[in-house]
Amino acid sequence: AQSVTQLGSHVSVSEGALVLLRCNYSSSVPPYLFWYVQYPNQGLQLLLKYLSGSTLVKGINGFEAEFKKSETSFHLTKPSAHMSDAAEYFCAVPDGGFKTIFGAGTRLFVKA
Amino acid sequence: EAQVTQNPRYLITVTGKKLTVTCSQNMNHEYMSWYRQDPGLGLRQIYYSMNVEVTDKGDVPEGYKVSRKEKRNFPLILESPSPNQTSLYFCASSWSGGPDEQFFGPGTRLTVL
Repeated sequence: AQSVTQLGSHVSVSEGALVLLRCNYSSSVPPYLFWYVQYPNQGLQLLLKYLSGSTLVKGINGFEAEFKKSETSFHLTKPSAHMSDAAEYFCAVPDGGFKTIFGAGTRLFVKA
Repeated sequence: EAQVTQNPRYLITVTGKKLTVTCSQNMNHEYMSWYRQDPGLGLRQIYYSMNVEVTDKGDVPEGYKVSRKEKRNFPLILESPSPNQTSLYFCASSWSGGPDEQFFGPGTRLTVL
């Protein structure tokens, strides 16, 4: 069974600074990989996903993630944080076709 | 507007009183799923459905039931709620699961006293 580890339950950055949110998955087989974002009092929405092909995936709001098979990682980055990026971010991996495993989430704080 | 709706959004109930949380999607998606979100644990899958009359357990199915009699609806039933089921619940849908983006409802905050 798959597992997903998000390092750091809370990350704090200054506005304009680099955002790096870490995600590692357990399978040695390249899976499908997702990042979702949850703004306060809302459901989750898709930021980006990796299915195949280019290992650098661009998403909404300036976010991107790079799939690194050798490191079993799919870290999320944004060059310059904005106050509106404050939210909780979840990495997710399908498990066995129809199940989905989510990481524990990382809450991003952006300081003015 | 394409959306997943859940009702109620907030519910406070007492131990043992049966309740149903409804979920409906208007995107003709085949796949629907229920998750619970707890602090520090992320989202954990309760049940999912690949199509009408086809459901299966996720990672935390104990104490929950589901049914999928129509494609658009996927209610979550707690027949005898207990305090450890106090949580934030999300319904989601997608075309077919797996590689497809899931669309989430706004959530239902349940408190069981």
